[in-house]
This record gives sequence, structure tokens and C-alpha cells, in this order.
Amino acid sequence: QVQLVESGGGVVQPGGSLRLSCAASGFTFSSYGMHWVRQAPGKGLEWVAFIRYDGSNKYYADSVKGRFTISRDNSKNTLYLQMNSLRAEDTAVYYCAKPQEARRFDPWGQGTLVTVSS
Amino acid sequence: DIQLTQSPSFLSASVGDRVTITCRASQGISSYLAWYQQKPGKAPKLLIYAASTLQSGVPSRFSGSGSGTEFTLTISSLQPEDFATYYCQQLNSYPRITFGQGTRLEIK
Repeated sequence: QVQLVESGGGVVQPGGSLRLSCAASGFTFSSYGMHWVRQAPGKGLEWVAFIRYDGSNKYYADSVKGRFTISRDNSKNTLYLQMNSLRAEDTAVYYCAKPQEARRFDPWGQGTLVTVSS
Repeated sequence: DIQLTQSPSFLSASVGDRVTITCRASQGISSYLAWYQQKPGKAPKLLIYAASTLQSGVPSRFSGSGSGTEFTLTISSLQPEDFATYYCQQLNSYPRITFGQGTRLEIK
């Protein structure tokens, strides 16, 4: 079945960097664009970034533009999120999600927690 | 950006109740709307897409309606496992999607 597994979260100091990974299985990863969505503790869902199936186009939320970079390695069936210049407000659970026909996100990964704190 | 406003933000109800959650978009989004259920510590789960299409495996007590700027999610008879937080999502401006702020449904 389709599965997404995030990893790479942890505690990082303000101004630091972290790279998240999302390992995909059960579908033809190279045929799908992919999203990152985050959720701060006790808050709602916030879309972060999207990358097209072939990596040719990338889109970012204004809150992360210039600091985060989405990428993918289709040979490894893996999605990445490089996060630089991290701020306290970036503290959140980060989910990767697979879109279906641009009409819905299904499934989502289990999420990985990023904590930005000194 | 298209803003989504859910109402109410908090809802207290009893098992067996019929409940309705509303999601209003700041501009027309046709039927590009999905609903998700999220339980504490878990990822969101897709319930409804294209405003009114029930995702496979989701109980038929869940239904969605609407188009344009106003949408509703209805649970016809609440079950204990339905107490959770619900989010609407607009995909009209794909890939720059947005979510509503969430509706927390609690047991009365």
C-alpha cells in the first residue's frame, strides 16, 4: 500500500539548519508532485512547499521562502525539505503528503517533529 | 491568497447528534474543497473531496455539500470515534493550497 515515512526531525538552535526526508513506497513516486505541510503545537495546518514530479518547478509559502528548499531524488523515492535560518516559529510537526489529481491529499506521512529552541 | 473560515471553531455535541461544520472561502473555489479529520498525535485523514465525494472507506454518516464560497460537512449521527478536529482545504489555487483554522468537536 502507499506509504510515506518522514524522518530527520529534532531539536535545533535558532539560526540552525535541518534536512527532513520523506521515504515513499507503494506508488510510482516519480509520477507525482509532492507537498510538505506543517502544524505548530496546538495549531492548525499550514502548507509549506510543493515540488513537481520531475523537480522542474517548486512553490513555497511566503513564511518559508528563501529559507527552505524542497527537493527530491526519484531514484531513491525520497522527498526532502532543507530548512535553513530556522526560527522559533518554525517549530512544528512536518508532514509530507501525496496529492491525488490535485483534488485531495492522501495519504499523509506520520509526521516528524522539529523544535527550534536555544 | 484564498482564505478559509470555519465555523464554529469549537463544537460540543453528544453521541447520536447531527452536526454541521461550515467552511467559507474568501473567493469562489468551485468544488475544489476537501475535508479532513485529525485526532491527537495523528496525521490528518481524508474524509471528503471535490466538496461532496466520500473517500473510500469513510462511513456514510459523513457527507459534504456546497460550491463556490460556502461548504458544509455534516455528520448525521455522531459516534464516539468522531470526536476530533476537522479541517477544510481549498485546492482551487493548487499547488498553493490553504486550510481552514479547524473545528474541534468534543463530547458534551
